[in-house]
Amino acid sequence: KQEVTQIPAALSVPEGENLVLNCSFTDSAIYNLQWFRQDPGKGLTSLLLIQSSQREQTSGRLNASLDKSSGRSTLYIAASQPGDSATYLCAVPDAVSGGYNKLIFGAGTRLAVHP
Amino acid sequence: NAGVTQTPKFQVLKTGQSMTLQCAQDMNHNSMYWYRQDPGMGLRLIYYSASEGTTDKGEVPNGYNVSRLNKREFSLRLESAAPSQTSVYFCASSKTGKSEAFFGQGTRLTVV
Repeated sequence: KQEVTQIPAALSVPEGENLVLNCSFTDSAIYNLQWFRQDPGKGLTSLLLIQSSQREQTSGRLNASLDKSSGRSTLYIAASQPGDSATYLCAVPDAVSGGYNKLIFGAGTRLAVHP
Repeated sequence: NAGVTQTPKFQVLKTGQSMTLQCAQDMNHNSMYWYRQDPGMGLRLIYYSASEGTTDKGEVPNGYNVSRLNKREFSLRLESAAPSQTSVYFCASSKTGKSEAFFGQGTRLTVV
């Protein structure tokens, strides 16, 4: 059964730092991997989707990489800002069950960027 | 662009009461999903609908029923609410296949 782990569980950094959030998965037979952001009391906002054939995706200050063979993805946030404070979740489809988009989520990394 | 819209945003129920959570998407997506989010358990799939007219169970379907009313709408019903169903419920949608999932803002349900 696919399992998704995110490390660290929480992170507090000063504004301006570059930081890396980690996501690992146990079954490398994934179709894609998606990173989300969740603000307190809010829904999930999709940040980046990496297809299995891709190595990385970029959106603004965000860069996500994918290494299927090692079962790892990283989300790099450049020049962090207080507005980046949120919980970041990664998710992969439950490919074993044949459902492309039946997502299995990690527990998330709670990020706090202080001025 | 509304995306995925859920109603209501908040609800308090008494044990044994029933209610329906509504979800609608305006992105012409084929697939729709219901998840629940609980502290320490993360997000778990309740039910999904791969296309209009089809529904299937996810990881935690007990105590719930769903209806895919049409391509736009996917509702989740609690027939007899229990305190264990206190949670935040999220609806999501995606095109069928290797595509991005989009989530609604959630329904915060408390069963007392």
